[in-house]
This record gives sequence, structure tokens and C-alpha cells, in this order.
Amino acid sequence: EIVLAQSPGTLSLSPGERATLSCRASQSVSSSQLAWYQQKPGQAPRALMYAASTRATGIPDRFSGSGSGTDYTLTISRLEPEDFAVYYCQHYGTSTWTFGQGTKVDIK
Amino acid sequence: EVQLLESGGGVVQPGGSLRLSCVDFGFTFSRHAMSWVRQAPGKGLEWISIITGDTHTTYYANSVKGRFTISRDNSRKTLYLQMSSLRADDTALYYCARNFNGTHNDYWGQGTLVTVSS
Repeated sequence: EIVLAQSPGTLSLSPGERATLSCRASQSVSSSQLAWYQQKPGQAPRALMYAASTRATGIPDRFSGSGSGTDYTLTISRLEPEDFAVYYCQHYGTSTWTFGQGTKVDIK
Repeated sequence: EVQLLESGGGVVQPGGSLRLSCVDFGFTFSRHAMSWVRQAPGKGLEWISIITGDTHTTYYANSVKGRFTISRDNSRKTLYLQMSSLRADDTALYYCARNFNGTHNDYWGQGTLVTVSS
């Protein structure tokens, strides 16, 4: 079973700054099988990226994804007030789907 | 617009059973695989099960295998999760979510809360 480890646990930044979130898999995964989600308090998760670097419908281009093998990154180029939230990576495999434990991006 | 609405949550005693439902309003339900994902209070997301659109192939997380059963009725555009032998650590908000081409979850319901407590 693939385990996803996200870092850091919490990222404290100011609006306008760049956020870089990491997701490391316990074994190599295909980049076509990696997604990112955003979740705000009291809300359901929202898909941000899939296939590691493809933005989901309606996601602004300040969000970008990259990576391969075991290391993946979600970058928010300039944080907007609405971007402060928890972010999860997800691996979708042939028979199991796994989430990372999440990274909270909060206001410094 | 895609809308998913879960129901069936509530308080149940340890060892008890509960059936969750998720109704689709707005897309071609039968064409999409569907998942259940849960979130314990204050914790992260945990994928628990998926069912394909037409063949009804199912997969489960180890934590629920043998206790939970996912199913669907495409004529009613409804997804189900039958939960049995419930434990305290099954307490969570349960989300249903649509799978985009068998990959990520592109649409989510708002969740239904299950509390396992005596």
C-alpha cells in the first residue's frame, strides 16, 4: 500500500507570498495518478489538480503542480486570502486510493 | 450542474449497522465511478471505497473491508454504503464523490455525519 507523506504540516505565510507544498510517496507512482485537493473549514474538498499538473475545472493559474516518481509539489504562486486552507495530495491506483495527511496553509 | 446529496447518517451503537445514500442531481450517473471518503473529526481525508459505473466492480480500504459494502442503483442515480460492525473509530463525516474517468474525485457532496457511540 502506498503511503503519502505531506510536508510541512503547517505553512505560515502572508498574502502575496509563494507557497510550496510537498507530497512524497513511499514508492514511485505514475504522475498520471496524483491529485491535489483544497479543503476549507466546514466545506467539502475541492479538486485542484490531477495527473500531477493538470488544473481541474475553474482552478486559477496561480495553482500549479509538478513532480514525478516519489516527489510531487503543489505551488501557489501568490497567495490570495481565499487560499488559506488545508491541502491534500491523493494517489489513485488500480484498486486503492490514498490521501496524504494534509498541509495547512495559514496566515502569518 | 453536478450535485451530490448524502443522507442516512446518525448515531449508532458500537456493533450496529447503518446505510448511507448519495443521490446524484445533474449528471449521467451511470457513466462515472463513485467513491466514499470519510473524515474523522479534526482529522484528514480517508478513502474507503469505490465502485465502477457499469461493471459495479468494487474496492475497499483495509480499514473497512469485510464490514462495509458499496453498491449503486443506476436507475435511481443513487450510491449506497452499507456499514456493519461499526466501531468508535468509524465516527466521521462521510462524503460521496464522483470519479473523473476513474481518476480523481471531481465533485463531492457535503457529507453525512456518522457517530458510533454507546
